[in-house]
Amino acid sequence: RKEVEQDPGPFNVPEGATVAFNCTYSNSASQSFFWYRQDCRKEPKLLMSVYSSGNEDGRFTAQLNRASQYISLLIRDSKLSDSATYLCVVTPQKGGSNYKLTFGKGTLLTVNP
Amino acid sequence: IAGITQAPTSQILAAGRRMTLRCTQDMRHNAMYWYRQDLGLGLRLIHYSNTAGTTGKGEVPDGYSVSRANTDDFPLTLASAVPSQTSVYFCASSDSAAGGYGYTFGSGTRLTVV
Repeated sequence: RKEVEQDPGPFNVPEGATVAFNCTYSNSASQSFFWYRQDCRKEPKLLMSVYSSGNEDGRFTAQLNRASQYISLLIRDSKLSDSATYLCVVTPQKGGSNYKLTFGKGTLLTVNP
Repeated sequence: IAGITQAPTSQILAAGRRMTLRCTQDMRHNAMYWYRQDLGLGLRLIHYSNTAGTTGKGEVPDGYSVSRANTDDFPLTLASAVPSQTSVYFCASSDSAAGGYGYTFGSGTRLTVV
């Protein structure tokens, strides 16, 4: 099982749609979880952190289920500007280097007018 | 300079040539990283440095070397480039033990080895 696995996509949705991305991770001792966004031919940028209690930022909601080792990102009322690749990111367990992020391969979202 | 600067932006390199990708940050972050990104494989860690004077190997270190003589600079060297090293290279830095918080990427170097 890969360390971080995501829906491969691509997702094509109309404006205003709700879209959900899923991600699983293999290391049960992983400490921190994030969603990054990467626009075409650009660098990744932090979108939001993911907590067990859930995390909402406007139209974006992230959830973590430690028991299932599952992370999700929900985007409501999709905008054209949401078109990008969404990367699920995990940090390793304590005891090793906490600095290294492990990235999923990403899920491409295209929002159509 | 604001954030992380990578140079060059893009490069076409003959196989067998030596090449150094430059990365400089002005945020005084203690940790720095080099990733490569390939279609279908995502971002993979090449080398990292938790603090000036120390470096470590990531997931795909073969064919690459790094140095961290000071806090700001983290160059990546390809001693003898091969076509499989054609990729987009991202340098990143962070100042938190949790990694993802304050993790900043450079804009990338597109390298083609022919």
